Amino acid sequence: ETGVTQTPRHLVMGMTNKKSLKCEQHLGHNAMYWYKQSAKKPLELMFVYSLEERVENNSVPSRFSPECPNSSHLFLHLHTLQPEDSALYLCASSLQRTGEYEQYFGPGTRLTVT
Amino acid sequence: AQSVAQPEDQVNVAEGNPLTVKCTYSVSGNPYLFWYVQYPNRGLQFLLKYITGDNLVKGSYGFEAEFNKSQTSFHLKKPSALVSDSALYFCAVNFYGNKLVFGAGTILRVKS
Repeated sequence: ETGVTQTPRHLVMGMTNKKSLKCEQHLGHNAMYWYKQSAKKPLELMFVYSLEERVENNSVPSRFSPECPNSSHLFLHLHTLQPEDSALYLCASSLQRTGEYEQYFGPGTRLTVT
Repeated sequence: AQSVAQPEDQVNVAEGNPLTVKCTYSVSGNPYLFWYVQYPNRGLQFLLKYITGDNLVKGSYGFEAEFNKSQTSFHLKKPSALVSDSALYFCAVNFYGNKLVFGAGTILRVKS
């Protein structure tokens, strides 16, 4: 295990539902990330939090709303999603936000939007 | 703009043979380079990184990678492949910033 946990591991939701993904890291890291992994596409960085402050938002639609209440927890709130949002959502953390530090990934949440 | 390319969608190798998974990058200056592996239904797992110093970097599970600045490459290698090495491998580059740019990934299949 990498020290990063994600729940739920699988989620099926309709387009009108509201759900949340949860990520928790037990590594004492200060930076946390959300990525989207779709089939046959490169990993897409969605959001970056450093010391609980959002420092990057890569043109992600507003139907995705992140929340970082403390340095150990990260949430991704979902509402009125589209079928093309079906993907594996990965959470990661790193010691610092600066580039030389490797990121540690959780196992992901497999999201299916029906 | 910084970018990273993995020219092979899939690499096939026989168990016990050496393996190479290729990665090239396009950045100016000195990048930080990483390799990650992803097993089915799992997240990405860090293998090794190059920050500075010796061009040959050793990582987990017997993997190593060679940084070649003149060829802007960072190929992943292992002297003797195992069937359990079969997975999806990602190269990633980070240059003077905080955004890790990933390659598209290379599927490694090791056959017994």
